[in-house]
Amino acid sequence: GQNIDQPTEMTATEGAIVQINCTYQTSGFNGLFWYQQHAGEAPTFLSYNVLDGLEEKGRFSSFLSRSKGYSYLLLKELQMKDSASYLCAVIDSNYQLIWGAGTKLIIKP
Amino acid sequence: DAGVIQSPRHEVTEMGQEVTLRCKPISGHDYLFWYRQTMMRGLELLIYFNNNVPIDDSGMPEDRFSAKMPNASFSTLKIQPSEPRDSAVYFCASSPQGDPSTDTQYFGPGTRLTVL
Repeated sequence: GQNIDQPTEMTATEGAIVQINCTYQTSGFNGLFWYQQHAGEAPTFLSYNVLDGLEEKGRFSSFLSRSKGYSYLLLKELQMKDSASYLCAVIDSNYQLIWGAGTKLIIKP
Repeated sequence: DAGVIQSPRHEVTEMGQEVTLRCKPISGHDYLFWYRQTMMRGLELLIYFNNNVPIDDSGMPEDRFSAKMPNASFSTLKIQPSEPRDSAVYFCASSPQGDPSTDTQYFGPGTRLTVL
């Protein structure tokens, strides 16, 4: 079956760094997305990885290891506005987007 | 660009009634997706279209659900008859022409459906 695992909830402090992990077992792999979703709002695109390694985009970075079925989203210099859910989604061999349940990130002052 | 537009934003209805959700994708986008999101099940893909043609509707929960895309700028998701377990937020998303594995999906604001 298809499975994507993320922690349900994480807490971090303003100004700190947090890493949100995502592991997946899917029928094939054609890329991985990270989306951010604030409460009551729609998901918005953060990053896309298809090759192994780290993709950096400002305060946010995303890492992928295809051999390990593993990705993480790294958020630096946390701000209160980063409080949101972070969704990991994998494209399988049929080019279907399989969504994780999301990780709720709580930022404390 | 106005982004993906959905209407209504909120819908409260009684069990057994017909519900129609509407979506206008971003102009020029060839792919349109309907999702349902609940606390219990997360984000679920219901159906997606390419150039107005339904490609995969395997996520549609049952025959009470139907979706149409009569033209490139409009799609509907209909539930008839509605049931309380259909209560969820329904998102429409679109993505541009090209490789669907790499094109970002742009989400609409969602329709919060409550079936009493």
